[in-house]
Amino acid sequence: QVQLVESGRGVVQPGRSLRLSCTASGFTFSSYAMHWVRQAPGKGLEWVAAISYDGSNKYYADSVKGRFTISRDNSKNALYLQVNSLRVEDTAVYFCARDRKQLATRGIIDYWGLGALVTVSS
Amino acid sequence: DIQMTQSPSTLSAFVGARVTITCRASQSISSWLAWYQQRPGKAPKLLIYKASSLESGVPSRFSGSGSGTEFTLTISSLQPDDFATYYCQQYNSLYTFGQGTKLEIK
Repeated sequence: QVQLVESGRGVVQPGRSLRLSCTASGFTFSSYAMHWVRQAPGKGLEWVAAISYDGSNKYYADSVKGRFTISRDNSKNALYLQVNSLRVEDTAVYFCARDRKQLATRGIIDYWGLGALVTVSS
Repeated sequence: DIQMTQSPSTLSAFVGARVTITCRASQSISSWLAWYQQRPGKAPKLLIYKASSLESGVPSRFSGSGSGTEFTLTISSLQPDDFATYYCQQYNSLYTFGQGTKLEIK
């Protein structure tokens, strides 16, 4: 079955960087677009970024553009999110999620990981 | 950017009741809308896609309708497992979630 497992959670000081990873199994990772979605404590879902099946197209929410970078390594079945210049408001659970399509446009997010908590605090 | 607004924010209902949640888009999104259910501490679960298509394995008491800017999610007869938070999401232009509707037991 489809499994997505995030890692890289932790407490980070404002202004610092962190890389989140997601390891996929149970499906042909290289055939699907992937997303990162976050959820601040007690708040709703916020889409963060998406990447096409081959990594050639990447999309970002305005709130993270220029600070976050999504990437993937299909040889390792891995998805990454490099988060730089962290702010207190970036504190959230970060979910890795699969898109039903190859391209990351008009895609349906169908499977989610359990999430990784990132806390930005001094 | 497309904004998604759900109503109500909180809904209290009895087991067995029929409930409807509304989602409005700030501009037309055709039928590019999904609904998710999220239980506390869990990942979201896809219920409905393309406004009215039921995801495989999701009980038929869940249904979606609408197009353009106005959409609804209906649960025909609430079961104890259904008390959770529900989110709509547009995927016409990038991706935007509604703020969520918390469904509580009355």
